[in-house]
Amino acid sequence: GIQVEQSPPDLILQEGANSTLRCNFSDSVNNLQWFHQNPWGQLINLFYIPSGTKQNGRLSATTVATERYSLLYISSSQTTDSGVYFCAVDGDMRFGAGTRLTVKP
Amino acid sequence: GAGVSQSPRYKVAKRGQDVALRCDPISGHVSLFWYQQALGQGPEFLTYFQNEAQLDKSGLPSDRFFAERPEGSVSTLKIQRTQQEDSAVYLCASSTYTEAFFGQGTRLTVV
Repeated sequence: GIQVEQSPPDLILQEGANSTLRCNFSDSVNNLQWFHQNPWGQLINLFYIPSGTKQNGRLSATTVATERYSLLYISSSQTTDSGVYFCAVDGDMRFGAGTRLTVKP
Repeated sequence: GAGVSQSPRYKVAKRGQDVALRCDPISGHVSLFWYQQALGQGPEFLTYFQNEAQLDKSGLPSDRFFAERPEGSVSTLKIQRTQQEDSAVYLCASSTYTEAFFGQGTRLTVV
């Protein structure tokens, strides 16, 4: 099956800093989504982005389908951005291992 | 309903007991997914339905795990003869053909 790799596994930032999270996948995909799992365990959909670029406030995402990767950008990070960020691909939504983000005040 | 609802939120089972976990998806969502998430790990795919058809059950760890969605809406994940390694959070998601939405999960502890 398709392999999904995320990097970095852990990221610690000072409040106000910017960050880039990466998701690589081993085969072409028809569906790619980014999720945020908050410290209480709830998974929130951030973006549906099988290709192209989307922005939502301080967050944006870009998927380059031909090169099999997606990037999630977080600008001006806040403590509430802490948690784990996952990408999930294709119709049966296979997840990567995630990037654990800690934003310090 | 407004979102995906899972019940119970917490379940403690004695080893060897059978359990049933319920998922109420968002009304009209065709696709429904079940995942198992161990502490500190990402969600591991268990199974996937489109309407009432179970299209992929390759992630079910053993024949003790069984999922159904008989009318294409509510789904039940059943675990027979629970074992300690079954302790985890079980997540359900439903989706249109694009975005998926997750329930809050059921935390299963096998003692």
